[in-house]
Amino acid sequence: AQKITQTQPGMFVQEKEAVTLDCTYDTSDPSYGLFWYKQPSSGEMIFLIYQGSYDQQNATEGRYSLNFQKARKSANLVISASQLGDSAMYFCAMRGNFGNEKLTFGTGTRLTIIP
Amino acid sequence: DTGVSQNPRHKITKRGQNVTFRCDPISEHNRLYWYRQTLGQGPEFLTYFQNEAQLEKSRLLSDRFSAERPKGSFSTLEIQRTEQGDSAMYLCASSFLPNEAFFGQGTRLTVV
Repeated sequence: AQKITQTQPGMFVQEKEAVTLDCTYDTSDPSYGLFWYKQPSSGEMIFLIYQGSYDQQNATEGRYSLNFQKARKSANLVISASQLGDSAMYFCAMRGNFGNEKLTFGTGTRLTIIP
Repeated sequence: DTGVSQNPRHKITKRGQNVTFRCDPISEHNRLYWYRQTLGQGPEFLTYFQNEAQLEKSRLLSDRFSAERPKGSFSTLEIQRTEQGDSAMYLCASSFLPNEAFFGQGTRLTVV
């Protein structure tokens, strides 16, 4: 079984500061992928970034980077230079191997950017 | 727009009625997923299709729920004899590669 844990229900961050959203995971699959999604109040799940378990380098997409520490089973999202539009719910998710392809989500972190 | 499309966006129904939602995945995406999300929670997996084959169903998917994906294109999710506990956002996602999963805007169901 796969499990995602997000321990920060809410975070408040000053605009232009960097923010780290925590995510730890548990799985018995030898190969897996980790995803981060942003969900604004409109409800749509917006894909942000992906990290494969065998990827050698941490994933980056613009202002988003994923701090992947495989031995610690953590996949934290780092947002640099936060903007007011970053205020939203953020979900960490994982997908297992072939035959276990559903995404398992954490409970999310509500990020609020303060002007 | 070439993203995942879900219809309707909102549905209000009386308890006991049947409802059907539609999801049109991104063209050529062979994998399609349905999720349910209640207020303050992360999405919960309901079911998954690869092409037209339904490969996995969650225990959340009671016998009142049924999903189809005829011809491996669009998918429908039907809820029979709706209950107030079915009120939620129903999300559809599609993918072709393992490193992606794109969601639609969801269908918000309210059972009164």
